[in-house]
Amino acid sequence: DVKVTQSSRYLVKRTGEKVFLECVQDMDHENMFWYRQDPGLGLRLIYFSYDVKMKEKGDIPEGYSVSREKKERFSLILESASTNQTSMYLCASSETAVSGNTIYFGEGSWLTVV
Amino acid sequence: KQEVTQIPAALSVPEGENLVLNCSFTDSAIYNLQWFRQDPGKGLTSLLLIQSSQREQTSGRLNASLDKSSGRSTLYIAASQPGDSATYLCAVRPGNRDDKIIFGKGTRLHILP
Repeated sequence: DVKVTQSSRYLVKRTGEKVFLECVQDMDHENMFWYRQDPGLGLRLIYFSYDVKMKEKGDIPEGYSVSREKKERFSLILESASTNQTSMYLCASSETAVSGNTIYFGEGSWLTVV
Repeated sequence: KQEVTQIPAALSVPEGENLVLNCSFTDSAIYNLQWFRQDPGKGLTSLLLIQSSQREQTSGRLNASLDKSSGRSTLYIAASQPGDSATYLCAVRPGNRDDKIIFGKGTRLHILP
């Protein structure tokens, strides 16, 4: 079975802290994504990556950065956490569109910034 | 710009009924369309993937159809059960080099026992 693993399910952080959310996939997928999900707003794309050391901004990249040093790992970084970044964060991976394959999601990370 | 809409946002149906969830998209040039299920507080689980060349896909009590020309997809659930209660999202993979997948906001389904 394809597995996308988000290392932290629940986190509580203080305003101004640097936060790392880690995601690992075991299917050798080229593409990896970070979304946040908020009530009434649906899933919003923060960053995505087509390949190692490659990153592209999504729809809401402000306040976030990412790192992809290895193909299987995609990290989301909140440089200085703020209360408006309290949300559910979802990592996903997929093959390229040419192969037409599905996208797989992790279980999500609930982040509360106080 | 591709937009994906799911109406209604919420739906309650008595157990045992057949039901249809709707998804519409504005640009018919897509690679594929995917339906997901999300339980409260959890990630998304893929239900069905329809390639752009296909008209429908089936898995158990679920059947998803795709009409690209009209920009519509439906998810049909037969003989609904309380365990089907969840939020259902559809997502479109655009037909260009850009691999960004675009999601609808979902329909929250409640099956009444």
